Amino acid sequence: QVQLQESGPGLVKPSETLSLTCTVSGGSISSYYWSWIRQPPGKGLEWIGYIYYSGSTNYNPSLKSRVTISVDTSKNQFSLKLSSVTAADTAVYYCAREVNGTPGVWGKGTTVTVSS
Amino acid sequence: QSVLTQPPSVSEAPRQRVTISCSGSSSNIGNNAVNWYQQLPGKAPKLLIYYDDLLPSGVSDRFSGSKSGTSASLAISGLQSEDEADYYCAAWDDSLNGYVFGTGTKVTVL
Repeated sequence: QVQLQESGPGLVKPSETLSLTCTVSGGSISSYYWSWIRQPPGKGLEWIGYIYYSGSTNYNPSLKSRVTISVDTSKNQFSLKLSSVTAADTAVYYCAREVNGTPGVWGKGTTVTVSS
Repeated sequence: QSVLTQPPSVSEAPRQRVTISCSGSSSNIGNNAVNWYQQLPGKAPKLLIYYDDLLPSGVSDRFSGSKSGTSASLAISGLQSEDEADYYCAAWDDSLNGYVFGTGTKVTVL
């Protein structure tokens, strides 16, 4: 059964770049769409974007100028970079795998705080 | 500011039925599949309904989904205390060219 695990710094300074990695176990990353989704404290879910294993991407228009999602099939990982972060980017960040056309298998999430 | 609108909260007694609405537009619900998620406190979201009304393996048949025009609904029958959670609808939006989530609904079992 496929499992996803997010990893990365829990604290990022304002104006710097947030970098997270999602490691996929129990299955190959070489198929499906792989997404990043976030949830600010006490708020709802926001889709950040997805990548297909081949490398094609699609990003949330509101974040597009700051987001890069990449995939490393040799490591069975995909990654998120979000540049020029502010306090508004403080959130729990989830990675997820597509199931039947929607994010269906989720990691447990990792909390990222933007603060100096 | 989500394009999918849900009531902030609903509540009902145990063993009763609740319905959660999700209102959208022709660019999302009206033209694409609606999915529903359950988020228990402190946990990651779990896919509850996909393609408007289909249940993933392992999801209780007390949950059901429906769609009509630009609105969708999630119904929970035989309400149990373990159903207390936040529920989100979601769909692809053709105008935004992105995936959108609803505003979320908190279900309370009285």
